[in-house]
Amino acid sequence: GEDVEQSLFLSVREGDSSVINCTYTDSSSTYLYWYKQEPGAGLQLLTYIFSNMDMKQDQRLTVLLNKKDKHLSLRIADTQTGDSAIYFCAETRMDSSYKLIFGSGTRLLVRP
Amino acid sequence: ETGVTQSPTHLIKTRGQQVTLRCSSQSGHNTVSWYQQALGQGPQFIFQYYREEENGRGNFPPRFSGLQFPNYSSELNVNALELDDSALYLCASSLGQGAIGTEAFFGQGTRLTVV
Repeated sequence: GEDVEQSLFLSVREGDSSVINCTYTDSSSTYLYWYKQEPGAGLQLLTYIFSNMDMKQDQRLTVLLNKKDKHLSLRIADTQTGDSAIYFCAETRMDSSYKLIFGSGTRLLVRP
Repeated sequence: ETGVTQSPTHLIKTRGQQVTLRCSSQSGHNTVSWYQQALGQGPQFIFQYYREEENGRGNFPPRFSGLQFPNYSSELNVNALELDDSALYLCASSLGQGAIGTEAFFGQGTRLTVV
């Protein structure tokens, strides 16, 4: 990929919070996104944040953006077994807003 | 259900052959983007078509080509298939070229296996 990095795997117990982390390198990022991919499925946009924001909350999802450290995180509150999937961090950049640049994905496993 | 449909869902081809993958965009959308997702990797941008013209291209060789039709549906063609072309090919449709992620809808993908 083009320098969007994520940890490979996260395992949590049902009901706990999950935090998935992502780092990126390009300071010209305009939007940052979180996508979910379930087995055999395409990509579902979960949420996104504009690069001049620090935080965005949407029901069980909280996105935190630290622009200085180029660090993005997704917190899922009260994680359920249906949240088990691969989560991709992605960005668009000012000079190429037509394309999404994805990380390699974090596999989230929710244990009963 | 996003309204973006891809066909076929699965395909097996032999090395050296050619393949055509199809994507019908969501109603009202005039932009189609194609991504390649190798096993265990994130999607990689191949190219985008906006109003029947190629609008941007990723780091893929010329044997990857595309087409967009007046109804905004699109095809991805790959010539001289190689084993490394085995992947999930995703199509995304959107309205307009920019800030694509905020409005792009992805299809379920075509799983291509090259043997």
